[in-house]
Amino acid sequence: RKEVEQDPGPFNVPEGATVAFNCTYSNSASQSFFWYRQDCRKEPKLLMSVYSSGNEDGRFTAQLNRASQYISLLIRDSKLSDSATYLCVVNGGGATNKLIFGTGTLLAVQP
Amino acid sequence: DGGITQSPKYLFRKEGQNVTLSCEQNLNHDAMYWYRQDPGQGLRLIYYSQIVNDFQKGDIAEGYSVSREKKESFPLTVTSAQKNPTAFYLCASSIEAPLEGHYNEQFFGPGTRLTVL
Repeated sequence: RKEVEQDPGPFNVPEGATVAFNCTYSNSASQSFFWYRQDCRKEPKLLMSVYSSGNEDGRFTAQLNRASQYISLLIRDSKLSDSATYLCVVNGGGATNKLIFGTGTLLAVQP
Repeated sequence: DGGITQSPKYLFRKEGQNVTLSCEQNLNHDAMYWYRQDPGQGLRLIYYSQIVNDFQKGDIAEGYSVSREKKESFPLTVTSAQKNPTAFYLCASSIEAPLEGHYNEQFFGPGTRLTVL
């Protein structure tokens, strides 16, 4: 089983749609969770950290379910500019800040 | 402006040559990391350093070497022993000792695309 698993997609959605991505992780000792966004041939950029209580940033909402070991990202009112690959990232547990990256979910927002 | 810089953006190398990729940060971050990204795969950790003059192997360190003589700099050398060096190389940094409420996010440089001819 991969340490971090994501559906690779692509998710093709029309502008204005709501889309949700899920991600599962295997290490129950993980404490930190993130969503990164990566545009084609660019570096990953932090989209949002995922807090235990869930958090929202504008059109983006992240949720964490520790019991089931999954993380979700909800994007409301999709924009063309949201088209990118979304990486689920989990820290590896232990004393170091090693992060484990999922392979990403590709989102394509259509006009 | 604070940030992470990597150079060069594109690098071409002949087989058998060693090359060094530069990574500099002025964020005053303690920890720095090197990853490689191949098509269809997640980022894989090559080396990381939590403090000056110390570094550890990541998951795929064979054929690579690093140094951390200054807090701001973490160069990566891709040696001729690396069998498949063509990839997108990403450097990142983070606060290693986080304040409460911070989650050790890592921030990335723009990357270097290495192609072996």
